[in-house]
Amino acid sequence: GAGVSQSPRYKVAKRGQDVALRCDPISGHVSLFWYQQALGQGPEFLTYFQNEAQLDKSGLPSDRFFAERPEGSVSTLKIQRTQQEDSAVYLCASRQGRVGYGNTIYFGEGSWLTVV
Amino acid sequence: GQQLNQSPQSMFIQEGEDVSMNCTSSSIFNTWLWYKQDPGEGPVLLIALYKAGELTSNGRLTAQFGITRKDSFLNISASIPSDVGIYFCAGHVNQAGTALIFGKGTTLSVSS
Repeated sequence: GAGVSQSPRYKVAKRGQDVALRCDPISGHVSLFWYQQALGQGPEFLTYFQNEAQLDKSGLPSDRFFAERPEGSVSTLKIQRTQQEDSAVYLCASRQGRVGYGNTIYFGEGSWLTVV
Repeated sequence: GQQLNQSPQSMFIQEGEDVSMNCTSSSIFNTWLWYKQDPGEGPVLLIALYKAGELTSNGRLTAQFGITRKDSFLNISASIPSDVGIYFCAGHVNQAGTALIFGKGTTLSVSS
């Protein structure tokens, strides 16, 4: 597609419910990132995929957070047993290759999660 | 973990004024990036810097990668109302370019 697409745009979940957030990166982009952005804060890194391999998951806050990208394109971020502190915007981003000149990271519009 | 200190936290200026914001880090960064985020949108890249000392312009925006590789600034000249938004600095600490570390943002308000 033309840009990074995320769904749903808005999700309200009851505490304890599981949620799944989807990301469609730009076609052909090998790198995919997930970020969490709390209100009034900058985005914080969660995890990174190169194709289907999850090379860095150091930012996942707990074992309730799980991400996958089984075929190296679409990715899903799953949050189990949601808690109120999980309320945030979840941003997906993609990049054509590795860091370096011209390898811009493009962000989606985000999935806004509210846990009540 | 690494942190970026971005300042000022917010700015209120008149249309036509110049703006300057900066970021500092306790760690050396390999790249410095400046993003703008509008309400309800994801961050959009404004300027990317890849070499220490690099000075790059994009229209009315100018940014520099500090010589020590621990700081960067962004200048906006002759501000206009559509410059309103939140500006984030960000950087990579490793060559693999996995985790991108963001500052907390500078909120810019422009009055006409």
